[in-house]
Amino acid sequence: KAGVTQTPRYLIKTRGQQVTLSCSPISGHRSVSWYQQTPGQGLQFLFEYFSETQRNKGNFPGRFSGRQFSNSRSEMNVSTLELGDSALYLCASSNPGQANTEAFFGQGTRLTVV
Amino acid sequence: GQSLEQPSEVTAVEGAIVQINCTYQTSGFYGLSWYQQHDGGAPTFLSYNALDGLEETGRFSSFLSRSDSYGYLLLQELQMKDSASYFCAVRDPGGGYQKVTFGTGTKLQVIP
Repeated sequence: KAGVTQTPRYLIKTRGQQVTLSCSPISGHRSVSWYQQTPGQGLQFLFEYFSETQRNKGNFPGRFSGRQFSNSRSEMNVSTLELGDSALYLCASSNPGQANTEAFFGQGTRLTVV
Repeated sequence: GQSLEQPSEVTAVEGAIVQINCTYQTSGFYGLSWYQQHDGGAPTFLSYNALDGLEETGRFSSFLSRSDSYGYLLLQELQMKDSASYFCAVRDPGGGYQKVTFGTGTKLQVIP
């Protein structure tokens, strides 16, 4: 079955702009989580969606937001981009309810803010 | 909150054995997972320990001691392709919640 798909793979934006990233989870997976990965900070949790509801949110400013659609696809949006937002944004899908739930990651979207 | 600490870098020789440690402080605990990430790639799941002891999956084994808040990943018969970053991770407790906190990551370099 198809894996987690993230689009676009690469993106260059200017400071002050906004960006929307997309994630299509594995078919049947209802939980989608987003992470920011940078060399200095590692993998940082952004938020998690389940059945169109945000259930968890990490320590990021309100410029970072997301949503999930009825087909479990998710988008995240970053407004008023800053240079420090340059990072690899990873999406992971899983099927909650099992103790050893494995998260399946997409290849990520590499965002560069100039 | 959750925090997990790992060594930042480890170097080992091809064919040898290497251990990557992870110590954690968590407000709740649903087990310790390990992920591998090659440069430019996505993290991929390696193993999961819910209970104390050793879990073996081929050349990889993972150990957990809940009383010590400590775990490790053991890689045997190292191959060049094992050069990657390795992350330990814990999942927040709570029904269905998928907030996963990752460790700082250990970059493993396998040398000939």
